[in-house]
Amino acid sequence: AQTVTQSQPEMSVQEAETVTLSCTYDTSESDYYLFWYKQPPSRQMILVIRQEAYKQQNATENRFSVNFQKAAKSFSLKISDSQLGDAAMYFCAYRSALRSGGGADGLTFGKGTHLIIQP
Amino acid sequence: GAGVSQSPSNKVTEKGKDVELRCDPISGHTALYWYRQSLGQGLEFLIYFQGNSAPDKSGLPSDRFSAERTGGSVSTLTIQRTQQEDSAVYLCASSPFYTTYEQYFGPGTRLTVT
Repeated sequence: AQTVTQSQPEMSVQEAETVTLSCTYDTSESDYYLFWYKQPPSRQMILVIRQEAYKQQNATENRFSVNFQKAAKSFSLKISDSQLGDAAMYFCAYRSALRSGGGADGLTFGKGTHLIIQP
Repeated sequence: GAGVSQSPSNKVTEKGKDVELRCDPISGHTALYWYRQSLGQGLEFLIYFQGNSAPDKSGLPSDRFSAERTGGSVSTLTIQRTQQEDSAVYLCASSPFYTTYEQYFGPGTRLTVT
């Protein structure tokens, strides 16, 4: 079974600064997808960024980028120019690329990192 | 277009009662997922539906939990004889079949068992 570990329960950053959230995972599979989701107090899970394991290039979405190290099984999220609206819980998630059924299709989540933005 | 909707937003029930939680996926999405988010266990996958195929129930924590999906659209998660440990936020997500790696989440139902 796959596991996802987020070692930072809480992080704090000054507005306009850069912050990096850590995520490591354990899998024996070679093909999979990784995601970062944001969950504000409204509870709505919002996809921030995704990475296909077969792609060497790190994904980027505006102020959000990842550092994907496949050999190290590491998938960190960098948020540049932090804004007050970035405050939320951030979850790292894994999904197998195997089409073997719902268990593989379901996302495996880390415990989350609570990001605080200091004005 | 409209996103995934869930009802009720909040539900308080007494221990031992049955509850039904509803999910309306995005129109046209063939895949539907249920997750449970609790303080102790984090986010757990519960069950998955793909079109009209039999669901994969591998994540359901006990036989008190069941789910159905009518007409390949709306889904209902039923918890029988609720226990205090069932208290959690229940999240539903949907995905289009040919974009299987992105799941769109609803706002969840917060269930409190007293």
